[in-house]
Amino acid sequence: TQLLEQSPQFLSIQEGENLTVYCNSSSVFSSLQWYRQEPGEGPVLLVTVVTGGEVKKLKRLTFQFGDARKDSSLHITAAQPGDTGLYLCAGGFSTNAGKSTFGDGTTLTVKP
Amino acid sequence: SAVISQKPSRDICQRGTSLTIQCQVDSQVTMMFWYRQQPGQSLTLIATANQGSEATYESGFVIDKFPISRPNLTFSTLTVSNMSPEDSSIYLCSVEDLDREYGTEQFFGPGTRLTVL
Repeated sequence: TQLLEQSPQFLSIQEGENLTVYCNSSSVFSSLQWYRQEPGEGPVLLVTVVTGGEVKKLKRLTFQFGDARKDSSLHITAAQPGDTGLYLCAGGFSTNAGKSTFGDGTTLTVKP
Repeated sequence: SAVISQKPSRDICQRGTSLTIQCQVDSQVTMMFWYRQQPGQSLTLIATANQGSEATYESGFVIDKFPISRPNLTFSTLTVSNMSPEDSSIYLCSVEDLDREYGTEQFFGPGTRLTVL
């Protein structure tokens, strides 16, 4: 069974602070996705990373894929209340199309 | 990216009854999936909905409890049968869509929040 462990599970910070969420596994993934989910909504895809060592930036969000493609991190700079939500990482395998493995999720609360 | 809609968005049901959830996609997709999510928690894959054949269920999920239909490449239904309070959850439809850069990416519908009394 492939497992993705996310940390921390819960994070509550003040507006303007920085934070990092980690996603770790013992498995090597072909690709890794990060999603954000707000209450009452489905997960929304933020980014896909496929190359070991890859870094992608999406405004105040920076995503990094580990060199060995087993782990990833999401860094948010100057967090805003609108960043509040459940962040999920998901690892995919090219040989098992569509059956991504999801992490446990990180619930982020940004207080104004 | 594919646009996915689900109906109903939420429902409150009595135990012993069944509820059918519909998933509609705005484009033809090869892969469609059904997930379950407890509030604030991660996603658990129920099954892959196969067009023209029986769904492929994950360990712990069976067809008698969660019958699935997929009559075409844009539509699927999931039925939660003989419901109990333990079935209270969010049910999500998901599709895999082709991406020019990454090959495929997975997208989700807004979910159906089910409460069983």
